[in-house]
Amino acid sequence: EPEVTQTPSHQVTQMGQEVILRCVPISNHLYFYWYRQILGQKVEFLVSFYNNEISEKSEIFDDQFSVERPDGSNFTLKIRSTKLEDSAMYFCASRNPGTGTEKLLFGSGTQLSVL
Amino acid sequence: GDSVTQMEGPVTLSEEAFLTINCTYTATGYPSLFWYVQYPGEGLQLLLKATKADDKGSNKGFEATYRKETTSFHLEKGSVQVSDSAVYFCALNRDDKIIFGKGTRLHILP
Repeated sequence: EPEVTQTPSHQVTQMGQEVILRCVPISNHLYFYWYRQILGQKVEFLVSFYNNEISEKSEIFDDQFSVERPDGSNFTLKIRSTKLEDSAMYFCASRNPGTGTEKLLFGSGTQLSVL
Repeated sequence: GDSVTQMEGPVTLSEEAFLTINCTYTATGYPSLFWYVQYPGEGLQLLLKATKADDKGSNKGFEATYRKETTSFHLEKGSVQVSDSAVYFCALNRDDKIIFGKGTRLHILP
């Protein structure tokens, strides 16, 4: 069964450093998403991406965040200057066009720890 | 805005016990409702869903009924197994987004 793959599974960084979280969505999916979960909090929507541009973003997704699909297979989330409060589990997801949100497939997440 | 509230965990049960994880929602209109499960080291997986009032979603022995009158979608299973140990998330959809609860960690003891 196809899977959404996220790397690394755990990333540790110093405050102020840039991090790039990587995702390989399902090969024929065209809609891509990032969600995050701060420990003990809800899983929150960050951003959706389609046709090489952001479709929607939450208020969390400020100028420190950016997304990119650099090569047709990867989907990345960049945090320019990490803050302590960026420590969270980040989930990537993808789906096919013509399917609903119930068809979202999620990766296993990247645990980001900002020290 | 729309939101989902689910019972705090962790929930610890013995094998073969009856499970209920409570979930209530606040939403305009009638969203679809979901339960997702995350097993250790794996991604979020859709466990079951219900798309309209009085619908019952079911999968792997788990059930949940969309109750409009009480705005609830409680997850139940008659006899849990050790392999059911995971984190369970109640959720609803709004436009192109899924709105999740905080998750409930379930531990099943042999």
